Order: sequence, then structure tokens, then C-alpha cells
Amino acid sequence: EIVLTQSPATLSLSPGERATLSCRASQSVSSSLAWYQQKPGQAPRLLIHDASNRATGIPARFSGSGSGTDFTLTISSLEPEDFAVYYCLQRSNWPRTFGQGTKVEIK
Amino acid sequence: EVQLLESGGGLVQPGGSLRLSCAASGFTFSTYAMIWVRQAPGKGLEWVSSIGVSGGSTYYADFVKGRFTISRDNSKNTLYLQMNSLRAEDTAIYYCARPSNGWYDYWGQGTLVTVSS
Repeated sequence: EIVLTQSPATLSLSPGERATLSCRASQSVSSSLAWYQQKPGQAPRLLIHDASNRATGIPARFSGSGSGTDFTLTISSLEPEDFAVYYCLQRSNWPRTFGQGTKVEIK
Repeated sequence: EVQLLESGGGLVQPGGSLRLSCAASGFTFSTYAMIWVRQAPGKGLEWVSSIGVSGGSTYYADFVKGRFTISRDNSKNTLYLQMNSLRAEDTAIYYCARPSNGWYDYWGQGTLVTVSS
């Protein structure tokens, strides 16, 4: 099983600041990695797929990078609605696995 | 409009069974693989199971293998998850989701399963 380790667990930032979230895989997943955002009481929302492609309707302030084992989600300038929990997901191997999540909270 | 509506959750005793359903609409159900993902209260997301378009290919997380069965009825546009030998640690919101280009971008609202005596 591929283990995805996200860091940090919590990121405390102010609106307008840049957020950098990390996801590290225990073995290579090539570019088969996605990022999701989840707000309380809501289902997850796909932000980035195939490591660096924004999903439909996702604002340009969200960007993804990386390949192999190290991936980054960057939010260039935090908007109030961006404070949420973010998860990475790999679909390179079975079983599919999620990271444990990074909470982006208001400082 | 793509819609996924889960049902069948509720309170069940340890060792009991439940069958979850996910009614799909707004797309050609029979042409998409489908998945179940769960989230325990206050915890992260866990992939549970996936099924191919015809139902012939199924995959499970180790923690449900041998206890849960995923299936689908393409004539009814419905996905199922039969859950047997339920444990307290299976308590979670269960979501069904549909992929586009391999990635799950449509999700239901979830159904809560509580395993407790």
C-alpha cells in the first residue's frame, strides 16, 4: 500500500498570504495524484488532478506541482473561503489511498 | 446535472449488516466506474471500494476485504455497498463518487453509518 504523508498537519495563515502544502508518497506514483478541498459538513471537492491540472472551475490561485514521490499544492493568495482541510489522493496503485489531511486555518 | 444520492445508513449493532445505496442521475451511469469513500467523525478520508462499469472488476481496502461487497445495477442506475460484520471502527459517513478522466469529481452528500450497541 502506498502511504501518503501530508505536512504540515495544520497551517495557520492570514488572508492574502501564500499557502504551501506538501504530500509525500512512500513510493513513486508518477503524476497520478490529486488534491481535494473539504469544508465542514461538505463532500470533498476536486481541485487538482494529475499533479498539476486544475479541475473545471477551480480558480487560478490554486496550483499543483511535483511528480514521483513529492508533491506540492500552492494557494498563491488565500481567500476567506480557502480555509478548509486539504487532502491528496493517489490512483497509481491499488488500494487507492488518501493523505491524512492538512488543515489551513485562519491565524 | 449529475446527482448522487446515498441512502441506507443508520444505527446498527456490532456484528450487524447494512446495505447502502447510491442513486445516480444526470449521466449515463453504465459508462462510469464508481467508488465508495468514508470519513469517520472528525477524521480524514478513506477509500473503501471501487467497481468497474460492468461490475466485473471490484477492489477493496484491506480493512473491509471479506466483509463489504460493492455492486451495481446499471438498469436501476444504482450503486450498492453491502456491509457485513460491522465494527465500531466502521462508524463513518459513507460517500459515493463518480470519476471524470479517472478522478472523482462528483460526490454525493453522504450517509451516516453508526455501529454501536
